[in-house]
Amino acid sequence: KNEVEQSPQNLTAQEGEFITINCSYSVGISALHWLQQHPGGGIVSLFMLSSGKKKHGRLIATINIQEKHSSLHITASHPRDSAVYICAVRHYSGGSNYKLTFGKGTLLTVNP
Amino acid sequence: EAQVTQNPRYLITVTGKKLTVTCSQNMNHEYMSWYRQDPGLGLRQIYYSMNVEVTDKGDVPEGYKVSRKEKRNFPLILESPSPNQTSLYFCASSIDFGGNEQFFGPGTRLTVL
Repeated sequence: KNEVEQSPQNLTAQEGEFITINCSYSVGISALHWLQQHPGGGIVSLFMLSSGKKKHGRLIATINIQEKHSSLHITASHPRDSAVYICAVRHYSGGSNYKLTFGKGTLLTVNP
Repeated sequence: EAQVTQNPRYLITVTGKKLTVTCSQNMNHEYMSWYRQDPGLGLRQIYYSMNVEVTDKGDVPEGYKVSRKEKRNFPLILESPSPNQTSLYFCASSIDFGGNEQFFGPGTRLTVL
């Protein structure tokens, strides 16, 4: 069974700080997703990674397949970045099937 | 506009009264999935579909049914809802099941009394 662990569970930062959220998983995966969920519930996909690093604006996501670990970084954080950040991994579940398993999320609060 | 829609957005019902939550996508995606989100447990997959007439169980399928008769629609059916199915439900779709970006619907908040 694949476990997905995120740390920290909660994170409070001051505007402008550099933020790192971590995700570790226990089995081989074919892809890892970072999702953002704002208060009010809507979920948006930020990144999908299978190797290396991706950057979009102030957000950077990295993955180390050998260490089964991914990080999401936010540079120059802003109060509008306040949200729950969720890591999800796509892994083989038997036959020709794949499943998504989610971490429990990291609640980020950025204060002005 | 490319989107995933769900209806209803909010529903309060009583134990045992059959209900259907609809999900529709306009992106011609092959893969569709249903998730429930509960405090402290995060998102968990209920059912998924890799294409028309192809569905399979996720991690928490008990008490739910799905069908995929058309590519764009993937309804979630609760034949006899119970209070432990009170949750926030999300439908999502992606081009295929190859790990591509998932597009999520806005969510359906269901309360079963």
